[in-house]
Amino acid sequence: QVQLVQSGAEVKKPGASVKVSCRASGYTFSDYYIHWVRQAPGQGLEWMGIINPRVDSASYTQKLRGRVTMTRDTSTSTVYMELSGLKSEDTAIYYCARGLPGVAKPFDIWGQGTMVAVSS
Amino acid sequence: SYVLTQPPSVSVAPGKTATIPCGGNNIGGKAVHWYQQKPGQAPVVVMYYDNDRPPGIPERFSGSNSGNTATLTISRVEAGDEADYYCQVWDSNNDQSVFGSGTKVTVL
Repeated sequence: QVQLVQSGAEVKKPGASVKVSCRASGYTFSDYYIHWVRQAPGQGLEWMGIINPRVDSASYTQKLRGRVTMTRDTSTSTVYMELSGLKSEDTAIYYCARGLPGVAKPFDIWGQGTMVAVSS
Repeated sequence: SYVLTQPPSVSVAPGKTATIPCGGNNIGGKAVHWYQQKPGQAPVVVMYYDNDRPPGIPERFSGSNSGNTATLTISRVEAGDEADYYCQVWDSNNDQSVFGSGTKVTVL
C-alpha cells in the first residue's frame, strides 16, 4: 500500500543538526512532491517546505530558510530533511506528507511522524 | 504572510451539527483543504478543494468557501469525530502553504 515511513526519534543538543528521513513506497516516487510539516508540543501544524523529487528542487518557508535543507535519493525513494542550528523551539514532531505536483494541492498521505527533542 | 483564523474550540452534542469556520482575506479565491488530527496520530485529509470528500470520508462531512470564510461542517456528529481540525491554503504571494491554528472539536 501507499505509505511514507519516517526515521526514529532523535535527541539533540542546541546548535546541533538533525536529519530525518522519509521513505516512500507503493507509488512512483517522482510523481508526487513531498512536504515537511512540524508540530511543536501542544501546538498547531507548521509548514516547513516542499521538494520535487523528480528534479531535486526544494523551496522553504522564509522562517527556516538558511537552516533547513531538503534532499532526495531516488535509488531508495527517500526524502531527507536536515535542520541545522537547532534551538529548543525546534522541539517538535516532524511529518513528511505527499502532495500532487504543483502548489495548492492537498496532502493525501502522511508519514507517522518523527519526534525531535532539543535539550541541553 | 497570509493568516488563517480558526476558533480554538467547538463543542457539540452527539447527533447535532458542528460548524468549523476558517477565516482569511478573500479565502473564497483560494482552494481550501481540511485535516483531522486525533491525539497521537498524523493528520488525515477530510476535505479538499473546498468541498470534495476523499474516498472513505463519510458524507456527514461537507465544506464550503466564499468571501472571507471557509467552513467545514460535520452533520450527525459522532464520538469518533472528536479531534483537532485544521484548514490549509497555499499563500501564492509568499510561495508557501499555510495552516490555520486549529479547532478542537469536543463531543459532549
